[in-house]
Amino acid sequence: QSALTQPASVSGSPGQSITISCTGTSSDVGGYNYVSWYQQHPGKAPKLMIYDVSNRPSGVSNRFSGSKSGNTASLTISGLQTEDEADYYCSSYTSISTGVFGGGTKLTVL
Amino acid sequence: QVQLQESGPGLVKPSQTLSLTCTVSGGSISSGDYYWSWIRQHPGKGLEWIGYIYYSGSTYYNPSLESRVTISVDTSKNQFSLKLNSVTAADTAVYYCARDSNGGYGAVDYWGQGTLVTVSS
Repeated sequence: QSALTQPASVSGSPGQSITISCTGTSSDVGGYNYVSWYQQHPGKAPKLMIYDVSNRPSGVSNRFSGSKSGNTASLTISGLQTEDEADYYCSSYTSISTGVFGGGTKLTVL
Repeated sequence: QVQLQESGPGLVKPSQTLSLTCTVSGGSISSGDYYWSWIRQHPGKGLEWIGYIYYSGSTYYNPSLESRVTISVDTSKNQFSLKLNSVTAADTAVYYCARDSNGGYGAVDYWGQGTLVTVSS
């Protein structure tokens, strides 16, 4: 299984909105509504931000939203804040009952 | 509050077996709602899914690692473990144990703090 494809970096100014894409295949992202998104600050464990494409765990800000179209999933962060600066990873369930992550996207808040 | 804690050697020699244990507290590993995962992160790189186990012992592994990986569970100790054999320097990484709360479909909601394992002679 190949890693999902994410942009290496994105940036935005406080208050703006950004979108991070995550592209897979029909055997993972496109085949199931089981895409998750994780936020990771340096030296910390990842934190679940979105699961099942668009669901937010309790305690996660509603500034974070997820969607999917075909083989591409997206994470949108609205009202960008300085504390949102982090690495973001997508993951998907696959047709062979495994998980696969994206390569990660570094978000810079200018 | 569920907590996971990895334990094991931080240094492993090439060709030997990497062994880690994850102790779960604040909840039962035998709960049928969860899968118990191992995920690693090479220094400065992205996350890599290693595999997961259900409390009954059913396992699923990353195909690229499957020939070298074994994940097991000890419900009596509320622990699950990772063994990776024939390690090389490419296996140097931070290893996380984690809980998948979505029936194995990828909502990893609790993570250990991670433990760095270095493969070197």
